[in-house]
Amino acid sequence: GAVVSQHPSWVICKSGTSVKIECRSLDFQATTMFWYRQFPKQSLMLMATSNEGSKATYEQGVEKDKFLINHASLTLSTLTVTSAHPEDSSFYICSARQGIPQHFGDGTRLSIL
Amino acid sequence: KQEVTQIPAALSVPEGENLVLNCSFTDSAIYNLQWFRQDPGKGLTSLLLIQSSQREQTSGRLNASLDKSSGRSTLYIAASQPGDSATYLCAVIYYGGATNKLIFGTGTLLAVQP
Repeated sequence: GAVVSQHPSWVICKSGTSVKIECRSLDFQATTMFWYRQFPKQSLMLMATSNEGSKATYEQGVEKDKFLINHASLTLSTLTVTSAHPEDSSFYICSARQGIPQHFGDGTRLSIL
Repeated sequence: KQEVTQIPAALSVPEGENLVLNCSFTDSAIYNLQWFRQDPGKGLTSLLLIQSSQREQTSGRLNASLDKSSGRSTLYIAASQPGDSATYLCAVIYYGGATNKLIFGTGTLLAVQP
């Protein structure tokens, strides 16, 4: 089946640093990629939708300057959390699709000290 | 606003029991509905996908039903096992908009006691 690889799986860094998370579709070309955020014991909240070669569409309340999304190719999207602070600590999950259904990565746990 | 709600939020059952998880959505104009499983600290595993034209899907001990007119879906788990313990999420793709988006429910945390 379709595989989405997300890296890294866990990252711990100091407040003020920027963190990049990669999402790759390994065996299909993803026309659309999605980034979700999940706080403990809560559901997944969609942050943004990106199509290859175009700017990402952010959901209401998500700061586009804080969460930079690049979808440079049909197999790679990156999420960069800029100047991360403790409140950005969360579980981030990417998803990719060519049609239906969406396929999900294993998530990245981000901890900001 | 398009919302997806799951009841109960948490459920604990003894091993071997059959159980039903509920999902409700506010807008019946859905494209499809999907049930996922999430283990603690992990990503999502897709369990069943029901197209809007379908009424149910089955996979092993799992059966998912869809009633668009009432805005409800159920996930039935037969003969539950401790390995079924996880959070179960339903998600809906709605028609319309520039890009169809998957909207997730609030989740049901299931614990199957040995």
